[in-house]
Amino acid sequence: DIQMTQSPSSVSASVGDRVTITCRASQGISSWLAWYQQKPGKAPKLLIYAASSLQSGVPSRFSGSGSGTDFTLTISSLQPEDFATYYCQQANSLELTFGGGTKVEIK
Amino acid sequence: QVQLQESGPGLVKPSGTLSLTCAVSGGSISSSNWWSWIRQPPGKGLEWIGEIYHSGSTNYNPSLKSRVTISVDKSKNQFSLKLSSVTAADTAVYYCARNFHYGSGSYFDYWGQGTLVTVSS
Repeated sequence: DIQMTQSPSSVSASVGDRVTITCRASQGISSWLAWYQQKPGKAPKLLIYAASSLQSGVPSRFSGSGSGTDFTLTISSLQPEDFATYYCQQANSLELTFGGGTKVEIK
Repeated sequence: QVQLQESGPGLVKPSGTLSLTCAVSGGSISSSNWWSWIRQPPGKGLEWIGEIYHSGSTNYNPSLKSRVTISVDKSKNQFSLKLSSVTAADTAVYYCARNFHYGSGSYFDYWGQGTLVTVSS
């Protein structure tokens, strides 16, 4: 199976900060990667698919990049509603796998 | 707007079988989408369990394959999960979700609210 490793596991940031989260795949997955946002007690929400395509309705301050094994999610200017846990997901194989998550906390 | 709603017992005894159903509304389960089950143990990350197409074709997580059965009922516009021989390690919030395919990638664009299943005697 393809292992997904996210870093950092948590980050403390202030409103207005630029935040970058990374995700590394154990083998190449081309651009078949998604990012999700999950708030406590809620289901995950799709933010980015195909590494850099913004899901409909998602604010443009969210962006994704990367291909092969290394990917990033960037929040250009952190808003109060962005404090949450973020997961990457590889979409390349029949066995879909997620990263361990990155919690974005208020500094 | 597609909506998914999980239902089923919230408590299952060890060695028993966990059974959940996901009702789909606002769209047809016979559309060109796959449909998945995903779980999340309390305080932990997400684990994909498996998926089904309306034809009945399935793919399962190899780590759970021997214990998992996913089925579809097109007449009721719903799909179901059965997980046998459960232990405390199967305690989790279980989500159903719609797979959205783009190119060769499979992503989850609609999710149910999730249902907590606890394995305990």
